[in-house]
Amino acid sequence: AQSVSQHNHHVILSEAASLELGCNYSYGGTVNLFWYVQYPGQHLQLLLKYFSGDPLVKGIKGFEAEFIKSKFSFNLRKPSVQWSDTAEYFCAVIAGSARQLTFGSGTQLTVLP
Amino acid sequence: GAGVSQTPSNKVTEKGKYVELRCDPISGHTALYWYRQSLGQGPEFLIYFQGTGAADDSGLPNDRFFAVRPEGSVSTLKIQRTERGDSAVYLCASSQGSGGTPNEQFFGPGTRLTVL
Repeated sequence: AQSVSQHNHHVILSEAASLELGCNYSYGGTVNLFWYVQYPGQHLQLLLKYFSGDPLVKGIKGFEAEFIKSKFSFNLRKPSVQWSDTAEYFCAVIAGSARQLTFGSGTQLTVLP
Repeated sequence: GAGVSQTPSNKVTEKGKYVELRCDPISGHTALYWYRQSLGQGPEFLIYFQGTGAADDSGLPNDRFFAVRPEGSVSTLKIQRTERGDSAVYLCASSQGSGGTPNEQFFGPGTRLTVL
């Protein structure tokens, strides 16, 4: 079965620092990749997604992610974080013909003002 | 428009009791998903409906868990003989009809179930 690994459980940054959150998945076939974000007290919401085409995808709020097939990775990046980016971030994959998401365990990002 | 809603927001029950959790998807969304999120973990898939039928129930942990969606809209997740290990946040998501590629899943706020 497919799995998703997020190696950073808790990341603490100061405002304006650059962010990169790691995500690796295990599945050899076609994948659709997602990053979801959960702000304090709010629902999970989609940050960005990759289905096909350009492996560098841009999402909301200045976030981007790069799909590197050879590394089975889909890392999330932002050049300059803000205090309002404090949230939990989940990487997820839909593998093959499945329709359900398989999530990583999440990374809690804390941005200090 | 209205998003996915779930009721109740919190449910406290005693071990061995029966509980029902309700999900109202976004109007017009034909696909509905249930996930379970334990503390410190990402959501785990339970079951997926396309219309009224369960297209994939491979994530249900055992036969104490059952879900229905009789009219293709509202869904109810039913848990019999609850155990302390069932304590978690139960999330519902919906998406537009499945085609060749997956559609964005919109999540509800979840129901926090606590089994004493």
